[in-house]
Amino acid sequence: QVQLVESGGGVVQPGRSLRLSCAASGFTFSGYAMHWVRQAPGKGLEWVAVIAYDGSNIYYADSVKGRFTISRDNSKNTLYLQMNSLRVEDTALYYCAKSGEVAWLYDYWGQGTLVTVPS
Amino acid sequence: DRVMTQSPDSLAVSLGERATINCRSSQSVLYSSDNKNYLAWYQQKPGQPPKLLISWASSRESGVPDRFSGSGSGTDFALTISSLQAEDVAVYYCHQYYSIPLTFGQGTKVEIK
Repeated sequence: QVQLVESGGGVVQPGRSLRLSCAASGFTFSGYAMHWVRQAPGKGLEWVAVIAYDGSNIYYADSVKGRFTISRDNSKNTLYLQMNSLRVEDTALYYCAKSGEVAWLYDYWGQGTLVTVPS
Repeated sequence: DRVMTQSPDSLAVSLGERATINCRSSQSVLYSSDNKNYLAWYQQKPGQPPKLLISWASSRESGVPDRFSGSGSGTDFALTISSLQAEDVAVYYCHQYYSIPLTFGQGTKVEIK
């Protein structure tokens, strides 16, 4: 069965960096686009970034463009999110999500990893 | 950007009664080349990640009870729970996957009256 396990979250001071990872199993990782979606405490869902199955196409939300970098290692079945210049408003539960047959529709989500940037 | 607006923000319905959530997109999500609406519905229960219920505006995912149905086209959509069960208490989100940036509605909280 599909499993997505995020890690790397924690408490980080404003302006610092953090790298999230998402270990995937139960499917052919290299065959699907992957996403990061976040959810601030008690708030709704916000799409962050997507990377194509082979890394050839990458898109970001304006709120993170220039600060966050999505990447993947298909040999390790792992998705990454490098987060630089973190802000208080980046505080959220970060989910990795697998696309389905349509690259921009997510069919499976991990449990998330919490990133806290205190004020 | 396609702004997704849900109504109402919250909804309290008696067990066995119908619940309807509306979602409006600021621009059409109907793709003319394939005549499909790029609109999905997700259910999120407390402490859990979202779960995909419906894609293409009205296509139920495998294993989703048939009391859940989606309707609409273009810019106006609805999710209906025909007979609310206790396990349906959750927040429901509409989501457009027509264009980047991918966007969600603000969510509708469904509770038992």
